[in-house]
Amino acid sequence: LAKTTQPISMDSYEGQEVNITCSHNNIATNDYITWYQQFPSQGPRFIIQGYKTKVTNEVASLFIPADRKSSTLSLPRVSLSDTAVYYCLVQMNRDDKIIFGKGTRLHILP
Amino acid sequence: DTGVSQDPRHKITKRGQNVTFRCDPISEHNRLYWYRQTLGQGPEFLTYFQNEAQLEKSRLLSDRFSAERPKGSFSTLEIQRTEQGDSAMYLCASSSGTGSFYTFGSGTRLTVV
Repeated sequence: LAKTTQPISMDSYEGQEVNITCSHNNIATNDYITWYQQFPSQGPRFIIQGYKTKVTNEVASLFIPADRKSSTLSLPRVSLSDTAVYYCLVQMNRDDKIIFGKGTRLHILP
Repeated sequence: DTGVSQDPRHKITKRGQNVTFRCDPISEHNRLYWYRQTLGQGPEFLTYFQNEAQLEKSRLLSDRFSAERPKGSFSTLEIQRTEQGDSAMYLCASSSGTGSFYTFGSGTRLTVV
């Protein structure tokens, strides 16, 4: 399984755009990059998944460069409610489980 | 379908007692996963089912732990002779297949006193 590395914590302010970068140097050809969000006392929630270039949904954007060795989750105009832990995962297309790291604790300040 | 349901939400038990948790996945999902999460850590994989078959068990799952999914629908996770180190949030998730995203429940928080 490809290992991921992401910052342990980040602070930002309401209304700012937040970018969380994740490195996954040994990503394999068939692997997808997936991000989950987790609030205290809740299970993780799927945010976005991508394979290459850019993916955007109503919550976030995911930027993946051509070499796919890193990815950046972009949260536009964050609010206090975006304070959570964000997990970057490399999900093998043929594997049957996902492995979580420690994630990035994002703290949004007023 | 309102998502993945877990019951109970909280459980306090005395050391040495047995506990059982239940997970009801999204009905059309054939895969079901159990994870355990302690404070400040990401969820740790325990085991998963495809329909009623238990396909993988983590080394974290000692012989005091057993999971079942008898009819390929709901699942139970039992911990026998609980220890204080078993105190954690136990999360259940389901998915429709390989590469699909998981839908997690809100978890069962176990406290062993």
